[in-house]
Amino acid sequence: EPEVTQTPSHQVTQMGQEVILRCVPISNHLYFYWYRQILGQKVEFLVSFYNNEISEKSEIFDDQFSVERPDGSNFTLKIRSTKLEDSAMYFCASSRENEKLFFGSGTQLSVL
Amino acid sequence: AQTVTQSQPEMSVQEAETVTLSCTYDTSESNYYLFWYKQPPSRQMILVIRQEAYKQQNATENRFSVNFQKAAKSFSLKISDSQLGDTAMYFCAFMTRNNNDMRFGAGTRLTVKP
Repeated sequence: EPEVTQTPSHQVTQMGQEVILRCVPISNHLYFYWYRQILGQKVEFLVSFYNNEISEKSEIFDDQFSVERPDGSNFTLKIRSTKLEDSAMYFCASSRENEKLFFGSGTQLSVL
Repeated sequence: AQTVTQSQPEMSVQEAETVTLSCTYDTSESNYYLFWYKQPPSRQMILVIRQEAYKQQNATENRFSVNFQKAAKSFSLKISDSQLGDTAMYFCAFMTRNNNDMRFGAGTRLTVKP
C-alpha cells in the first residue's frame, strides 16, 4: 500500500532555531495536511493545503509556521523560531478529495 | 466550528469480549465523514473505520463496527472479540465534505487485558 513518508523521525533543536519537517505525500493525492500531537494529548489540526495554497489553518498555525510544496513530491512544515511548547509529534497526511487521510509515521520534535 | 467529544478518557476490556467507545460531534453541516483512528504505542495513526453521513447503514470492518446515529450526532465504535493488539488510543474524527480538514476528539485509551 502507498505510504506517506516523513523525515526525520526525530528532530532535536535549540529554542529559537528554525526547523523544517519534511513529508512526501502519496503521489496521486491532492490534499496535504499537518497535524501535531503533544505527548499524551489529542491530535490537533495545523493546516491543510490544496492547489499550491493553504486552504485552512488553525489558531495554532501562527506566523511562526509556514508550509511549502517546493517541488512535485515534497511538502514541508517550517517553524521559524522554535519555542519549548512546539515540542510534539508532527504528523503529515494526504488524501484524495473527500477520502480518508493517510498519515505518515510522524516526526518527534524536541525543543531544548 | 465542528467539535468532536470523546467522553471516556480510558477504558479496559477482557480479551475476547466486546467494548464500545463513545463519540459525539457537533456540526451544522449535512454532508460529512466520520472516522475512527487507532494510535498504538508506536504513535502511528491507523484508520480503523469510516462512515459517510449520507449513508444510513452502519459501517463494519471485520471485528469493528459503528453505531451511527445522525440525529443524535453520535458515532460509537464497537470492537468485538477484543484482542491484545487492540490496545491503543482511539480517536474519533470528523471531516466535512467541503473543507477537507479533519478534526479529532481527545481520544480514548483502550487496554485489552489477557
